[in-house]
This record gives sequence, C-alpha cells and structure tokens, in this order.
Amino acid sequence: DAGVTQSPTHLIKTRGQHVTLRCSPISGHKSVSWYQQVLGQGPQFIFQYYEKEERGRGNFPDRFSARQFPNYSSELNVNALLLGDSALYLCASSRKGQRPSNEKLFFGSGTQLSVL
Amino acid sequence: QQQVKQSPQSLIVQKGGISIINCAYENTAFDYFPWYQQFPGKGPALLIAIRPDVSEKKEGRFTISFNKSAKQFSLHIMDSQPGDSATYFCAASRVDSSYKLIFGSGTRLLVRP
Repeated sequence: DAGVTQSPTHLIKTRGQHVTLRCSPISGHKSVSWYQQVLGQGPQFIFQYYEKEERGRGNFPDRFSARQFPNYSSELNVNALLLGDSALYLCASSRKGQRPSNEKLFFGSGTQLSVL
Repeated sequence: QQQVKQSPQSLIVQKGGISIINCAYENTAFDYFPWYQQFPGKGPALLIAIRPDVSEKKEGRFTISFNKSAKQFSLHIMDSQPGDSATYFCAASRVDSSYKLIFGSGTRLLVRP
C-alpha cells in the first residue's frame, strides 16, 4: 500500500502570493494532520482534521487554512505568503484521529516551500 | 515557546558506539513521549515511545530511559551503525489535548564507519 503522499514535492513562491498544498492519506485512514518544519527545528502542529471536521488548530495565523474532502484527502492553504513561511510542510495520517498515544501517526515526505 | 528541550543539536559517534540524546520537559500534563527518526528528504517515522509509568523501554538497539521526577527522558542507540545517521526528534503529547505532538528541535546524528 502507498504511504502518505504529498504534492507538490517542491514549490517556489514570492511574498504575498497564495499556495495550496495537497495530501492523500494512507488508504483507510480518516484523519489528516499538518505540521510545519522550519529548517533546523522540529515539526510544529498546524491543523488536524477528522471526517472533514477540524479537530485542532495550532498557534498559526488565519492566513493558514485547511480542509478535508470526502475521500479524506486534504489541502493546506496559505495566503499572503511571508518569507518566514518557508519551510517543509508535513502531512500525517492516522486511522481514527485519536491521540498519538493510541494510534500511530504516519508522515509523508513533505512539500518544501520556498518564499522569495 | 519551546515545551520540549532537546540536546545535543548534533552528535558524532563511531560505529559500534553508544549514541545518547536527551530531552527535558516542563509540563506535567504530558503523558506520552515518542522518538521520531527522520532521514533527509523523508518525513519523521516513529521509532519508539514511552509512557511515564515506565522508567525504561527497549526495542532492539533502541532504549528510552525516563525520569519522571526530573522530567527528562533520553534515547540510547546501542551499537550505533552508519545507517542510523539521521535526525532524531523527541516529542510529547498532552493528556488533555489532543491530537497534536510537540516536538523538540532535533539532533543530527552522524555515525562514522
């Protein structure tokens, strides 16, 4: 079975632009989480979705939004890009969206976003 | 706000040696402590995890030691191999929160042949 797939792999944008990142979870997984990983730092939680509902949101501005589709795939949208948004954006999926202590999170390889 | 502090930032070990990475936390609401391994160009992958009711957990060459009173936990990699060269992240999850993991800043491990 395929793992978590993310597209595109790499993306270059300029300040002020908008970007959409996409994620397909592992087959059978109904929950998707998004993390931002700035170079040299650990991943930071942005959103979690389960059954198309937002379950949790990290400390990110409203420029960041996401949604989950009926097939459980997800999009992360970032408006009005800033230089500081340059990072690796990771998507993770799990079966039921439970706590990480109860079920394993599987991460994709990420989308590397560069904002110039 | 860094809730999980990880050290060292980087580590070089000879093949066959022991790699030790340390993490400390402040929030007593954390009740789950995983370690993730990340290779270049890949996402993090769960390596091993521990709950605070256990002081040690071993899986193969990987061991987590947990000191609840000191609010510290560490990853020990025995007989380190060049294939272990990667970035390691400790993380924590809160009992009252949720679904999210709070990660440390990472340790780049290089195992020399």
